[in-house]
Amino acid sequence: KNQVEQSPQSLIILEGKNCTLQCNYTVSPFSNLRWYKQDTGRGPVSLTIMTFSENTKSNGRYTATLDADTKQSSLHITASQLSDSASYICVVSVVQTGANNLFFGTGTRLTVIP
Amino acid sequence: SQTIHQWPATLVQPVGSPLSLECTVEGTSNPNLYWYRQAAGRGLQLLFYSVGIGQISSEVPQNLSASRPQDRQFILSSKKLLLSDSGFYLCAWSVLPQHNRFFGPGTRLTVL
Repeated sequence: KNQVEQSPQSLIILEGKNCTLQCNYTVSPFSNLRWYKQDTGRGPVSLTIMTFSENTKSNGRYTATLDADTKQSSLHITASQLSDSASYICVVSVVQTGANNLFFGTGTRLTVIP
Repeated sequence: SQTIHQWPATLVQPVGSPLSLECTVEGTSNPNLYWYRQAAGRGLQLLFYSVGIGQISSEVPQNLSASRPQDRQFILSSKKLLLSDSGFYLCAWSVLPQHNRFFGPGTRLTVL
């Protein structure tokens, strides 16, 4: 069964600290993995997208890693800011025709406090 | 640049009433369009997608329907809302199904 699981469900950190969010998947055949940031009451915005051959990809203070062998990904946030407070969603894409080719995690809710 | 709009932003409707949510995309032609629902504590669920005018594919049998009357317009409808239709509805577009999805701001629907 194709599944995407994220941990932790929620996380509270102090401003300026680093944090790492985890994503495990059982999706096959794998095409790519994406991390989205979703502010409360808004639509998700893409942060990174990685294919099978990519191990690391950065976007400013966000760094995503991918281990295709263990089917794990992580999103590391450096020097957190209050504006990082949001839900972070891991999305895995499969190789198939049609539009229902994305599998969404339930997200990690990050709260950054001053 | 491309932008995607949804309205209304929030909506409170009684059970049994009709529904019409609208989504429009600017700055691109012939986009693939999608309707998703996001329930609390659950991942996004694909409801409908469209590859062109008048072409609608349904992923989940339900109380909802979708239409694409124009190239960059996607409408989600219901004749009679159920309590279970409450949720956060997101419209999205992509160039092709395997490409990145760009999401709209969403509509929060509460059915009472």
